[in-house]
This record gives sequence, C-alpha cells and structure tokens, in this order.
Amino acid sequence: RKEVEQDPGPFNVPEGATVAFNCTYSNSASQSFFWYRQDCRKEPKLLMSVYSSGNEDGRFTAQLNRASQYISLLIRDSKLSDSATYLCVVNPPGGYNKLIFGAGTRLAVHP
Amino acid sequence: DVKVTQSSRYLVKRTGEKVFLECVQDMDHENMFWYRQDPGLGLRLIYFSYDVKMKEKGDIPEGYSVSREKKERFSLILESASTNQTSMYLCASSSTDRGNYGYTFGSGTRLTVV
Repeated sequence: RKEVEQDPGPFNVPEGATVAFNCTYSNSASQSFFWYRQDCRKEPKLLMSVYSSGNEDGRFTAQLNRASQYISLLIRDSKLSDSATYLCVVNPPGGYNKLIFGAGTRLAVHP
Repeated sequence: DVKVTQSSRYLVKRTGEKVFLECVQDMDHENMFWYRQDPGLGLRLIYFSYDVKMKEKGDIPEGYSVSREKKERFSLILESASTNQTSMYLCASSSTDRGNYGYTFGSGTRLTVV
C-alpha cells in the first residue's frame, strides 16, 4: 500500500464549479499535512497546511479526518488558473521533516 | 524572497558520465532534500541532509550520492549515469522550526541520459 494515495484524475470541470479531492495516508502517527500545487513543468508550491479543525483560505477548504486517515481539498468557484496538479503531502513521524508526497490529482478547468 | 536555486534547468548527459546537480538555498535552512519526479510515481526521496556533512538515504538512493560541505549547498551526484535516471530532479529545503514544516523547492533540473 502506498503511504499517500490520491485519485490521479484528471478532473475536468467548468469554470465556477466546485470540486473536491481526497487523499488517504497509511501512517496513523503522521503529524502534519499539506496540499501543494504543481503547474505543468514547474516545481511544487505550498498551497495550504491542513489542520485538525479544518481550515479555509479564500475559495479553498482543507479538511483532516485522523480517524479515517483521510484528507480533502475543496475548491469553490473554480477558475481557469486553478488548472494544475494538486499534491497531498504528509509528514510522518521520525523527525527531519521528511515529507511524503502523493502522486497528485490533476485538475483541468475549462471555460 | 526566499529562494532555492538549482544550477541547471535542462541537462543532457551520456550513459556512464558522472553528473553533478547543484542546489543552493539562501534561507539558512537546516534540512535539504533531493527528490526525483516521474509520471505516475510522484516525488520520491533520494537523499536528505539535516546538517552540514550529515546525510541520510531516502527511499531510492541506489546510483546516487550527495555532498553537503556548506549549509547552503547540497549536491546530488550520479556516479555513472544510466538511462533509467532520466527524470526531473527537485531540490528542497526546510527549517527545523516547529510549526513551519513546508518545503521550498527549486525550479527543478530535467535530466536526460542518452
């Protein structure tokens, strides 16, 4: 079983749609969680951290369910510029801040 | 603006060559990492370093070595390049400051071994 699993997509949605991505992780002792965004042929960039209570940043909402080992990202009112690959990222125990990256979910927003 | 700089954006090397990929960060971060990224496989950790002259193997260290002689610089070395090492290589750095675990990535080096 992969340590971090994501649906690869692609998710093809029209502008203005709401889309949700899910991610599961295998190590129940994992300590912190993130969503990164990666544009085509570019490096990943931190989109947002994911907190136990859930958190929101503009049109983006992240949720964490520790009992189910499940992380989600909700994007409301999708824009063309949201088209990218979204990486689910987990910081397992063991120190050194050695993050584990999911393979990513591709989102394509069309007019 | 904080930066991680990788020395080359694109490289083409021949099988058997020794290849050096350089990474420099200006954030005084303790931790530095080398990943490779391949379609469908995501980012896989090759090596990381948590201090000068310290290094630890990641998940796929075979065929690679690293060097960290100065805090700001972390080099990845392909001892004898092979075609299966054709990939995108990403360097990242992070702080050990608790509560700030995010990585800053370099722009990547796309290596082709022919």
